[in-house]
Amino acid sequence: KNEVEQSPQNLTAQEGEFITINCSYSVGISALHWLQQHPGGGIVSLFMLSSGKKKHGRLIATINIQEKHSSLHITASHPRDSAVYICAVYTGSSYGKLTFGQGTILTVHP
Amino acid sequence: GAVVSQHPSRVICKSGTSVKIECRSLDFQATTMFWYRQFPKQSLMLMATSNEGSKATYEQGVEKDKFLINHASLTLSTLTVTSAHPEDSSFYICSASREGFYEQYFGPGTRLTVT
Repeated sequence: KNEVEQSPQNLTAQEGEFITINCSYSVGISALHWLQQHPGGGIVSLFMLSSGKKKHGRLIATINIQEKHSSLHITASHPRDSAVYICAVYTGSSYGKLTFGQGTILTVHP
Repeated sequence: GAVVSQHPSRVICKSGTSVKIECRSLDFQATTMFWYRQFPKQSLMLMATSNEGSKATYEQGVEKDKFLINHASLTLSTLTVTSAHPEDSSFYICSASREGFYEQYFGPGTRLTVT
């Protein structure tokens, strides 16, 4: 079992739908990172959080440290949101190293 | 702020040659840089961690003589793939973090094709 599990692995939505991607981890963490990777390959950092909730535009990330779970929500999804979303955690055992989930492939149709 | 660049974005080289990939932090001092490799449809695999001015720490299974990493300044790290072979073809991504901060900032990646 991977230390970081994401669900679903693939997600298809219609434009305008509310989307949730989940991330569960089995190790102690210092912080959690949500990343976005477009087909061209470049990775964009969406959020880094260690507690509570963060919001940026149509994106919302939450984390529950006790339950070892985080969610990424996209409101009013758009085709340009189509990408791979990756959850990664800083375990703290090796400073600064990330452990990655397998990614969620999101496709938003117009 | 916190922009990381990589050069080149794409490179094609012949088998047996060496190729160098640069990773630069453009607007901050990166005390630690990370090099990742990504195979198609897979997540990122950490190859090595480098701290400015010291030798890189390689992950298990990564050949340090094959993948030479240099982090000579606070804004530049280089990855040299020596005697490249077709199996080295991959997407290589670097990231950088500031001293005292966890957050990694990722570069746009370099796609290496070895013919």
